[in-house]
Amino acid sequence: GEDVEQSLFLSVREGDSSVINCTYTDSSSTYLYWYKQEPGAGLQLLTYIFSNMDMKQDQRLTVLLNKKDKHLSLRIADTQTGDSAIYFCAETGGSASKIIFGSGTRLSIRP
Amino acid sequence: EAQVTQNPRYLITVTGKKLTVTCSQNMNHEYMSWYRQDPGLGLRQIYYSMNVEVTDKGDVPEGYKVSRKEKRNFPLILESPSPNQTSLYFCASSSPGREVTGELFFGEGSRLTVL
Repeated sequence: GEDVEQSLFLSVREGDSSVINCTYTDSSSTYLYWYKQEPGAGLQLLTYIFSNMDMKQDQRLTVLLNKKDKHLSLRIADTQTGDSAIYFCAETGGSASKIIFGSGTRLSIRP
Repeated sequence: EAQVTQNPRYLITVTGKKLTVTCSQNMNHEYMSWYRQDPGLGLRQIYYSMNVEVTDKGDVPEGYKVSRKEKRNFPLILESPSPNQTSLYFCASSSPGREVTGELFFGEGSRLTVL
């Protein structure tokens, strides 16, 4: 079945860029998402990209999609302490009922 | 304020004692879903509902029940909880009319411990 994989942990220094990677197996994915989960809270949609796009930029966030390799990445520029969270990669062929989530990457920021 | 509300937020119970986790959304969303979050496993879908009186199994439905009698409410029922159901549970909702198809709105989570 479909699978989404991400590394579990990432530690970066405050002010550096963070790059969180994700691979997926479903070649029919239409939408790919990054959700953010802050401590003690539910997930919130951070950004998304359509499968016919290569890149999307939104302020400090850059999403890169390599459809051939089924690889998605999220780059956070100038990482701040408020960026500490778990980041989930997710994909779907177009239905909310079929969204597949990765295991989440815990981003920690060191001074 | 648009939100998904879950109750209780925290619960410690014992094996076999029936419990219900409520979920309510005020966004008139058709779609609602329950997930459990376990370390290293991410989010796994338990049950989902495309609309009132329509429910379907997700990836890990064993030991759980749901109902969707009204559009806004989607309770999760554990008839006879067991320790392997100790987890963090999330309710989510969505509407097909959203600009970003499949964008989910999550509750704050319910941490359940079964002793």
